[in-house]
Amino acid sequence: KNEVEQSPQNLTAQEGEFITINCSYSVGISALHWLQQHPGGGIVSLFMLSSGKKKHGRLIATINIQEKHSSLHITASHPRDSAVYICAVGQYSGGGADGLTFGKGTHLIIQP
Amino acid sequence: ETGVTQTPRHLVMGMTNKKSLKCEQHLGHNAMYWYKQSAKKPLELMFVYNFKEQTENNSVPSRFSPECPNSSHLFLHLHTLQPEDSALYLCASSQPRTSGGADEQFFGPGTRLTVL
Repeated sequence: KNEVEQSPQNLTAQEGEFITINCSYSVGISALHWLQQHPGGGIVSLFMLSSGKKKHGRLIATINIQEKHSSLHITASHPRDSAVYICAVGQYSGGGADGLTFGKGTHLIIQP
Repeated sequence: ETGVTQTPRHLVMGMTNKKSLKCEQHLGHNAMYWYKQSAKKPLELMFVYNFKEQTENNSVPSRFSPECPNSSHLFLHLHTLQPEDSALYLCASSQPRTSGGADEQFFGPGTRLTVL
């Protein structure tokens, strides 16, 4: 079973700061997911990565398969970015429908 | 309705009750998932269904009984639950890849369950 470690667990920053959240996992994966969870529970998929780098607006996600490590970056952070960011990994199961293993999440607060 | 919907959004039940959680996806996906999020713990996988067949049961106690009558609907039947089963139960769906591997998952809003 994969172990997923995220850091930091809590992060408070000022508006405009560059944010980095890290994720590492223990065994090979089919893909790594970055998710965002707002108060109330709703979860939104931000990225799914199997290699390289992806960018959506101010969000950037990178993955290093050899080192089993991924980072989520937020540029020009804004109070509306305040949420819990969760790293999750899927593992090949042969059927194409892989349940995810999750990290504990990073609780991010951006202060105005 | 679009995306993934879950009903009810909140549920309070006694330990001797029987209730069901419902999930419906309007995305044309063929894989559906149940996840559990307890307070202060990471999300954890409960069940995976692929083309209506259960492909994964993550050692879930038998008091949780899933049902997937078709690719659009997923149920979680609950009976004789314990207070420690109180949690947020999330449903998700995805489109399986023929090449294998996980695809992007779309989550419902969750059912907040309280067991008294």
